[in-house]
Amino acid sequence: QVTLKESGPVLVKPTETLTLTCTVSGFSLSNARMGVSWIRQPPGKALEWLAHIFSNDEKSYSTSLKSRLTISKDTSKSQVVLTMTNMDPVDTATYYCARVSSGSYFVNDYWGQGTLVTVSS
Amino acid sequence: EIVLTQSPGTLSLSPGERATLSCRASQSVSSSYLAWYQQKPGQAPRLLIYGASSRATGIPDRFSGSGSGTDFTLTISRLEPEDFAVYYCQQYGSSPGFGQGTKVEIK
Repeated sequence: QVTLKESGPVLVKPTETLTLTCTVSGFSLSNARMGVSWIRQPPGKALEWLAHIFSNDEKSYSTSLKSRLTISKDTSKSQVVLTMTNMDPVDTATYYCARVSSGSYFVNDYWGQGTLVTVSS
Repeated sequence: EIVLTQSPGTLSLSPGERATLSCRASQSVSSSYLAWYQQKPGQAPRLLIYGASSRATGIPDRFSGSGSGTDFTLTISRLEPEDFAVYYCQQYGSSPGFGQGTKVEIK
């Protein structure tokens, strides 16, 4: 059974750095055809893809947020970590991690429940 | 960067009716990288369609996807009460992204 679970602070102050952790089970981060994405959704708005990382440590970032994002993984702990610097109230959103299945198709086939992060002083 | 434009923004239909949702890309997208998701309030998105036309595990056959190049369509043949939700298309190319969503609401 594949599961993903996001964890991290529910409240951060403007200019602070956000660190979110995605803990996965039911698949290995060393699987050549698997990766993990981070996606966010401001309240009442659309989904926004942020970043992904694959087993070979290939990483990709949203063009508009690249300078603020860092994604990494700890395969032994089955965890993927996303950091976002210089947080602003517009970054208030539900942050999701999702598995990427690659090969013939690229798709986010399993999602975590999401974690709401509020940016406020 | 590929931009996905979904239309209409809101679709007002009755149970039993057919829903046709459009996703148009600003440049050609490989069908292998086009997916559709359903999201209900307070829930994470759920994968419906991948590879433009393949249903994900457990998805009823009233959901179907079609299209190629820059024009893709999600069709729900007969709306069930549980189908009223927001639907997003996604392209997973070199710079992945989502459309802005189509809300299917009860008329």
